[in-house]
Amino acid sequence: GNSVTQMEGPVTLSEEAFLTINCTYTATGYPSLFWYVQYPGEGLQLLLKATKADDKGSNKGFEATYRKETTSFHLEKGSVQVSDSAVYFCALSPYGGATNKLIFGTGTLLAVQP
Amino acid sequence: SQTIHQWPATLVQPVGSPLSLECTVEGTSNPNLYWYRQAAGRGLQLLFYSVGIGQISSEVPQNLSASRPQDRQFILSSKKLLLSDSGFYLCAWTRKGANGANVLTFGAGSRLTVL
Repeated sequence: GNSVTQMEGPVTLSEEAFLTINCTYTATGYPSLFWYVQYPGEGLQLLLKATKADDKGSNKGFEATYRKETTSFHLEKGSVQVSDSAVYFCALSPYGGATNKLIFGTGTLLAVQP
Repeated sequence: SQTIHQWPATLVQPVGSPLSLECTVEGTSNPNLYWYRQAAGRGLQLLFYSVGIGQISSEVPQNLSASRPQDRQFILSSKKLLLSDSGFYLCAWTRKGANGANVLTFGAGSRLTVL
């Protein structure tokens, strides 16, 4: 079946540090891949997405590349800020899924300290 | 532009009481609608989705039900709440088509505490 595996958190970094949050997936065919972010007490917001192999999604300094060969979609940012503290969710949507159901990972809490 | 509203934002209910959470979408028509639950310390679990009025699909057996009485309205209900129903409930919508590449847009969530 389809599934998403994320690295366990929390991840604690100092401001301006480099961030990587690992995400791997299991799916048939070519799913679309997403990163969502959830700030404290809020709903989820789309951070970035990629819909085919080798695509790179980017937004707000965050990047993730769709790697078909390693079934991965790792999230990276070169220099984190305190305002990046949030829970980050990796998700996939199976190709051809008329219902567009998203399958989420368990989320990774990022805490950035000044 | 499209907006999605959820209410109430916070709810504290006793065990055995009924529940009704409401979600409405504005600025679009014929959306797919979803209810997710986020339990403490866990990821998001898809509870229900709907592709049209009166069409509800349940993803997991549970104490909850969903209804879609109008095109842009999605309601989550329970006749008798359990302690395990506590959590953060998120409504979401998306356009149809695009072979799964559509983005889900989430509401702000409803936090339910069952005592």
